[in-house]
Amino acid sequence: GQNIDQPTEMTATEGAIVQINCTYQTSGFNGLFWYQQHAGEAPTFLSYNVLDGLEEKGRFSSFLSRSKGYSYLLLKELQMKDSASYLCAPDSGGGADGLTFGKGTHLIIQP
Amino acid sequence: EAQVTQNPRYLITVTGKKLTVTCSQNMNHEYMSWYRQDPGLGLRQIYYSMNVEVTDKGDVPEGYKVSRKEKRNFPLILESPSPNQTSLYFCASSFGDRYTGELFFGEGSRLTVL
Repeated sequence: GQNIDQPTEMTATEGAIVQINCTYQTSGFNGLFWYQQHAGEAPTFLSYNVLDGLEEKGRFSSFLSRSKGYSYLLLKELQMKDSASYLCAPDSGGGADGLTFGKGTHLIIQP
Repeated sequence: EAQVTQNPRYLITVTGKKLTVTCSQNMNHEYMSWYRQDPGLGLRQIYYSMNVEVTDKGDVPEGYKVSRKEKRNFPLILESPSPNQTSLYFCASSFGDRYTGELFFGEGSRLTVL
């Protein structure tokens, strides 16, 4: 089975930086996905980390520590459109587990 | 345009009336999956398919059926819907014979069972 933990809700200010943490326990591990989901819309892919360390992609960066079962998503220069839910999804590598998503972190951006 | 298409997008039905939610992808993906999303519970996998004629149960398969007769289509069947199946449903697909790699989601189907 899998256990994924991320904060339910976070609030941040426009222009600031926010870090969304995710801890996980899985029976196997290939890598970890982050998806963004605006209210009422489909999730969209943000990043996929396989190796330990930080991967930067524009305003968004994602970090992975395989040994600690820990990842975070870092959002810089926050914009109002970044208000969304952010889903952490460890890739356990096959079998009946499939790809399991965390419950998501609802990020609220205030002016 | 590469996409995953679900129909219907919105549906209100009554208990026990069989319904099918269709899902079609035009990216020649081998892997397809169905999820339901409920407040406080997140995305939960219902069924998935690694390839044509190969389907497997996810975390919450009870009350649902699927079929994969063609690579592009993966319909979700509710033989006798019940109110606890009221939810937002997403179909998704991916490259390869496993789900490694980016998942492409359909726009979602919001189902209400009265």
